[in-house]
Amino acid sequence: GQSLEQPSEVTAVEGAIVQINCTYQTSGFYGLSWYQQHDGGAPTFLSYNALDGLEETGRFSSFLSRSDSYGYLLLQELQMKDSASYFCAVMDSSYKLIFGSGTRLLVRP
Amino acid sequence: DVKVTQSSRYLVKRTGEKVFLECVQDMDHENMFWYRQDPGLGLRLIYFSYDVKMKEKGDIPEGYSVSREKKERFSLILESASTNQTSMYLCASSPSTGQSSPLHFGNGTRLTVT
Repeated sequence: GQSLEQPSEVTAVEGAIVQINCTYQTSGFYGLSWYQQHDGGAPTFLSYNALDGLEETGRFSSFLSRSDSYGYLLLQELQMKDSASYFCAVMDSSYKLIFGSGTRLLVRP
Repeated sequence: DVKVTQSSRYLVKRTGEKVFLECVQDMDHENMFWYRQDPGLGLRLIYFSYDVKMKEKGDIPEGYSVSREKKERFSLILESASTNQTSMYLCASSPSTGQSSPLHFGNGTRLTVT
């Protein structure tokens, strides 16, 4: 079957660094994406990794290890506005984008 | 900016009713998708479409159908609504099939079936 596993909740302090992990098992693999969703809002695209390694976009970085079927989203210099749900997603061999169940990040002052 | 518009933010329907959820995108995107979002389950794909009049089943198509008569519009149809279809429904579009082409989501329709 196809599955993506990520922690359900993470709590961190403002200014800190937090890592949200994602492991996946899918039929076919065309890269790992991350989306952010604030309460009541639409999911928005954050990053995409097709190859192994770290991709950096401002305070956010995303990492992929295809041999380990594993990736993570790294958020640095946390701000209160980063409190949201974060979803990893993988495109399978049928070009369907499969999402994880989401990690709720709570940033505390 | 890409705009994906879902016709209703909140909808309340009765069991057995036929329900139409409408979605329009304004960026001439080829691909459109319908997901439902439930607590603890993430986003689950119901149907998607790569072109006008084309449709493909996602992971949970049972109880749903779709229509794409025009490129910009993708409708989700619940033929006979049931209480287990109470959920948040999210429409999305993307310009191509590659995952490097991100999905742009609408703000969602929260459907309650009583």
